Amino acid sequence: QQQVKQSPQSLIVQKGGISIINCAYENTAFDYFPWYQQFPGKGPALLIAIRPDVSEKKEGRFTISFNKSAKQFSLHIMDSQPGDSATYFCAASRPGNTPLVFGKGTRLSVIA
Amino acid sequence: EADIYQTPRYLVIGTGKKITLECSQTMGHDKMYWYQQDPGMELHLIHYSYGVNSTEKGDLSSESTVSRIRTEHFPLTLESARPSHTSQYLCASSPGTSGYNEQFFGPGTRLTVL
Repeated sequence: QQQVKQSPQSLIVQKGGISIINCAYENTAFDYFPWYQQFPGKGPALLIAIRPDVSEKKEGRFTISFNKSAKQFSLHIMDSQPGDSATYFCAASRPGNTPLVFGKGTRLSVIA
Repeated sequence: EADIYQTPRYLVIGTGKKITLECSQTMGHDKMYWYQQDPGMELHLIHYSYGVNSTEKGDLSSESTVSRIRTEHFPLTLESARPSHTSQYLCASSPGTSGYNEQFFGPGTRLTVL
């Protein structure tokens, strides 16, 4: 059973547009929600993360929106650039010493 | 850039061979992880460790084993490689005792078993 469901699987966005990737979870014990970015030939790297005590977190062009009641969170990339083309993973974890649970990933292509 | 290293980066090997994928980190992190990544992207946790002499199996059933004799070193061993083991293997580490800490990933080992 997929604990964190991520959509879409792939996304094509025009340069300058907004990229939106969505994730949904079932386990209400999750209380940490990071997003990782992976370029070809590299390991994933932390992009931005949120805790459920806030509904939004913004870092530069990247924003996480969090809806606790709907058990959903999303990544918004404003003014998308070709350099943003990568695979994005959402993840979640519970309190205590437990591993991250990753979504299946979204392959983003930003075209000029 | 994170100080986590994986060797070899690429490996092509025949069926039945025993192989060890190396992972080392110089950050003093207690937690270390091994993931298998499908060509289609999904990350599967296969082993993790929360400290020396601590190892746990992840969600993906695997014929590999790990050891954690030193904090900085977390090797993954396949006793008898099969074509089904062909994949990318990613090692990661994180600090602290909570689940809120960033995971730092290595560059990966791309394994091909013929």
